Parts: sequence; C-alpha cells; structure tokens
Amino acid sequence: DTAVSQTPKYLVTQMGNDKSIKCEQNLGHDTMYWYKQDSKKFLKIMFSYNNKELIINETVPNRFSPKSPDKAHLNLHINSLELGDSAVYFCASSPRVGPRTEKLFFGSGTQLSVL
Amino acid sequence: SQQGEEDPQALSIQEGENATMNCSYKTSINNLQWYRQNSGRGLVHLILIRSNEREKHSGRLRVTLDTSKKSSSLLITASRAADTASYFCAPWGSGYSTLTFGKGTMLLVSP
Repeated sequence: DTAVSQTPKYLVTQMGNDKSIKCEQNLGHDTMYWYKQDSKKFLKIMFSYNNKELIINETVPNRFSPKSPDKAHLNLHINSLELGDSAVYFCASSPRVGPRTEKLFFGSGTQLSVL
Repeated sequence: SQQGEEDPQALSIQEGENATMNCSYKTSINNLQWYRQNSGRGLVHLILIRSNEREKHSGRLRVTLDTSKKSSSLLITASRAADTASYFCAPWGSGYSTLTFGKGTMLLVSP
C-alpha cells in the first residue's frame, strides 16, 4: 500500500489550461503539504493544511488553489497555467505540525510540463 | 532563512568509499533531519538528530550535529551504487512554520 499517493505522475498541457493534481495519504496524518521542485532541484513549500485547515500559504500566486475535502486528501488546482509552472510537485504528510514536528512522508511527485 | 544549505552540491565517488556531505543552517534548532531523493522519486526520511545529540547512527549512516557551528554532517560508509541520489537536510526550530529544504547534495556512486 502506497502511503502518500498522488496522481497523475506526468501532466503535459498547454499554456492557459486549468489542471488538477490529487493527493491522498492513508497514514492517518493530520498535516499535508504541497512542495514545488524546480529544475535546479530546489524544493520549496507551497501550502500546508492541518486537519483540513490552511496553515501555510507561501506567497504562491492565487492561480494555485489547494483544496482539502478531508484530512486524508489535499488536491492542487492550477488555473491559467504558465510556462514557469513547469516543475515537479510533491505532496507530503506528517503526523502533526508544531514544535516537535516529525518526519515528512512524500509522494512520488507529479511532473508538470507546460508547453 | 529556515532552510539548510548542503555542501558540496555534487559528489562523485567509487563504490566502497565513504561519502560525507555537510549542512549549515542559520538559526537555533530543535532537530535536524536528513532525506534522500532518488531520481524521479519523492524524498525519503533517513534520520533525525535532536539538538541535544551530537552523533547518531543508523546502519551505514552516521550523522553529527554541532549546534555551536550550526552545522551537521552525513557520512555514508562503504557506499554502494544504490546510494546514488540527492541528499537534503532540513533543520527544524520552534519558530519554524514547516520543513524547508535546500538544493541538496547530488551523490554519484560508480561501480
């Protein structure tokens, strides 16, 4: 059983389109995240949700809208895709967030290519 | 900045050799974690060292932490081709909002 699964693994689309990436975790964790990894391998936090509530939004353009229907799911919808959105997007989860944060569990990534 | 900075950016060694990579950070921490990323995959947690620990071992991994120098090192002994991956450190402190990562160290182990 995959602990953190995200779909699709590859996403190729045209500029201006709207697309969604889905993420699900079966670990019973309270906290979920979206990270973006650019071509230089720099991994940057985008959003964090704790028990369906947004707790971190790291100056991401409002074309990106996360949605958490329940604490096991965190989806990412992207409107009006731009060339600069091309990257690998990783979903992750952790038991909780706080002063004694624990390790993150990552999905295998979604490679988004905007043409 | 809350992220760690890994050094060197790239490291190439032969199988059987040891690999050492370093991490520096800027503010006080509660713990520091190391992660591995194989090509095309997500990050996998390797080891966590707390601020009151100086050294920790896990199999062929040895992590040290020097809070006075705000630095950590990851040593992989008797490396294998399967250790080829990027390695990231992630410091965590009480004022931090989430784990933040740098660009990692890309390790290439040749047979």
